[in-house]
Amino acid sequence: KAGVTQTPRYLIKTRGQQVTLSCSPISGHRSVSWYQQTPGQGLQFLFEYFSETQRNKGNFPGRFSGRQFSNSRSEMNVSTLELGDSALYLCASTLPDTASITSNQPQHFGDGTRLSIL
Amino acid sequence: GQNIDQPTEMTATEGAIVQINCTYQTSGFNGLFWYQQHAGEAPTFLSYNVLDGLEEKGRFSSFLSRSKGYSYLLLKELQMKDSASYLCAVRDSNYQLIWGAGTKLIIKP
Repeated sequence: KAGVTQTPRYLIKTRGQQVTLSCSPISGHRSVSWYQQTPGQGLQFLFEYFSETQRNKGNFPGRFSGRQFSNSRSEMNVSTLELGDSALYLCASTLPDTASITSNQPQHFGDGTRLSIL
Repeated sequence: GQNIDQPTEMTATEGAIVQINCTYQTSGFNGLFWYQQHAGEAPTFLSYNVLDGLEEKGRFSSFLSRSKGYSYLLLKELQMKDSASYLCAVRDSNYQLIWGAGTKLIIKP
């Protein structure tokens, strides 16, 4: 069974540009979450999508957005990039479809996209 | 606010036992997870606790006390490959995962 796939693995952009990252969840997984990881900050939750709808959102500015397609693949977009956006962006997928059932299901992570802003 | 605290870094010797603590203050509780993350790799699931007590899985065990807002991950018979960061995460009342900053574990021969 293929794992969570994120593309691209590495990306270099300059300030002011925008970027789109892609995530393909494990087959059959319908929930996709996005995280930003920086040294010393741990995983910061961006948003979660389920059935093409944003179900939860973290405390990030509106420059960070995402969407989910009918095949559960997800994209996140960051506009007007800032130096502080340099980070590892991780996508994770989970199997079940309701919050109460989801509670004991672990998230399965992709290898991430390392974004560097120059 | 919601908060999860873990030590930033720990050092242990190969073959020994180490305990990594996690304390949490969250709005509600719907389970606690431990993940392992090797440098440059994705986090991988280790254990899940929702009831008080100890869950054992081979060399790894995880303990939970809900009344104290406390968990620990116990690693026995340490191996060099156990050098990694260990992340504690709590699912809150909205079923959202709140993550600690992680504990970097260094194993010395």
